[in-house]
Amino acid sequence: KQEVTQIPAALSVPEGENLVLNCSFTDSAIYNLQWFRQDPGKGLTSLLLIQSSQREQTSGRLNASLDKSSGRSTLYIAASQPGDSATYLCAVLSSGSARQLTFGSGTQLTVLP
Amino acid sequence: EAGVAQSPRYKIIEKRQSVAFWCNPISGHATLYWYQQILGQGPKLLIQFQNNGVVDDSQLPKDRFSAERLKGVDSTLKIQPAKLEDSAVYLCASSVIPGGGELFFGEGSRLTVL
Repeated sequence: KQEVTQIPAALSVPEGENLVLNCSFTDSAIYNLQWFRQDPGKGLTSLLLIQSSQREQTSGRLNASLDKSSGRSTLYIAASQPGDSATYLCAVLSSGSARQLTFGSGTQLTVLP
Repeated sequence: EAGVAQSPRYKIIEKRQSVAFWCNPISGHATLYWYQQILGQGPKLLIQFQNNGVVDDSQLPKDRFSAERLKGVDSTLKIQPAKLEDSAVYLCASSVIPGGGELFFGEGSRLTVL
């Protein structure tokens, strides 16, 4: 059974800092990995999707990397802003016939002005 | 393009009562998911539909939860009778690629069971 872990559970940084959020998964047989953002009381917004054959994806100030062999992904946020404050979740889609999406518990990010 | 629509946004009920949530996915998205998100945790899949057929309902508590997607478009999730531990946000998501691809989520329905 796939397990997804995100460390740290919470992170507070001053505005302008570059930061890295971590995601690890136990089963490397994945189809893709997706990073989401969740604002309080809201649904999830997709940030980046990395296919299993890819190493990284970039969108604006966000860069996500994937290392399947070690079961790790990182989300890099450059020049953080207060508007980046939210919970960031990673989700892994397992490969094979039973394609199940497993989420981590998220990292709650606070960017201080 | 309209996103995933869910209603109601909030619902408060007493234990043992019933409740129903509705979801309308993005037009053209054949795959629809219902997730349960308990405070402080990541979403947990309850059921996945491909058109109007069930692909995965292995984590759906079938003694009290039911879901349907009769015409392959919108879907309803029902809880009867509700328990205290059902207090959570119920998220609906859809994707255009069966069993893969990017997921798009609605804003969720927050259930409080007293």
